[in-house]
Amino acid sequence: KAGVTQTPRYLIKTRGQQVTLSCSPISGHRSVSWYQQTPGQGLQFLFEYFSETQRNKGNFPGRFSGRQFSNSRSEMNVSTLELGDSALYLCASSFLAESYNEQFFGPGTRLTVL
Amino acid sequence: AQTVTQSQPEMSVQEAETVTLSCTYDTSESDYYLFWYKQPPSRQMILVIRQEAYKQQNATENRFSVNFQKAAKSFSLKISDSQLGDAAMYFCAYSGNQFYFGTGTSLTVIP
Repeated sequence: KAGVTQTPRYLIKTRGQQVTLSCSPISGHRSVSWYQQTPGQGLQFLFEYFSETQRNKGNFPGRFSGRQFSNSRSEMNVSTLELGDSALYLCASSFLAESYNEQFFGPGTRLTVL
Repeated sequence: AQTVTQSQPEMSVQEAETVTLSCTYDTSESDYYLFWYKQPPSRQMILVIRQEAYKQQNATENRFSVNFQKAAKSFSLKISDSQLGDAAMYFCAYSGNQFYFGTGTSLTVIP
């Protein structure tokens, strides 16, 4: 079974631009979560989608948004990029949304904002 | 709000020795799950071990075991017979209504 895939793997943008990241979960998984990983901050939860509905949202500004499609693929969008948005963005999928479910992580998208 | 604290940013261990990584958490929930994830350099994060809060018995997975102290809200990971492939960033995570991760502990294994 193919793992979680994320595209693109690397991205360089300039301040003020917007960016869209994509995540394809493991086949059959309906829950997709997004995290921002920065040195010293660990993983910060962005949001979680289940069956096209946002179930949870972390403490991030409205510039960060996401959506999930009927095939469970998810996208996250960051508008008006700031230097501080430079990070590794990780997507994780799980079969169900229950808290005991193991999350399977993708390789991440490395975003650099210049 | 739930928080997860890993107080050891870096740890090192001699190959074949045992090392313990610390994790504490804060929560008012009674039903939750705890996880340790491993992120090798330039590789994907994978689950190491999972503990259900309602179970008193500590989880074990081969060379990996946890010491779960619910009253103290402590969840440490013990790695026995450390191998070079254990070198990675280790994240402690709490799952209740959502996942919360600690800041990670970078483990170096010395040959």
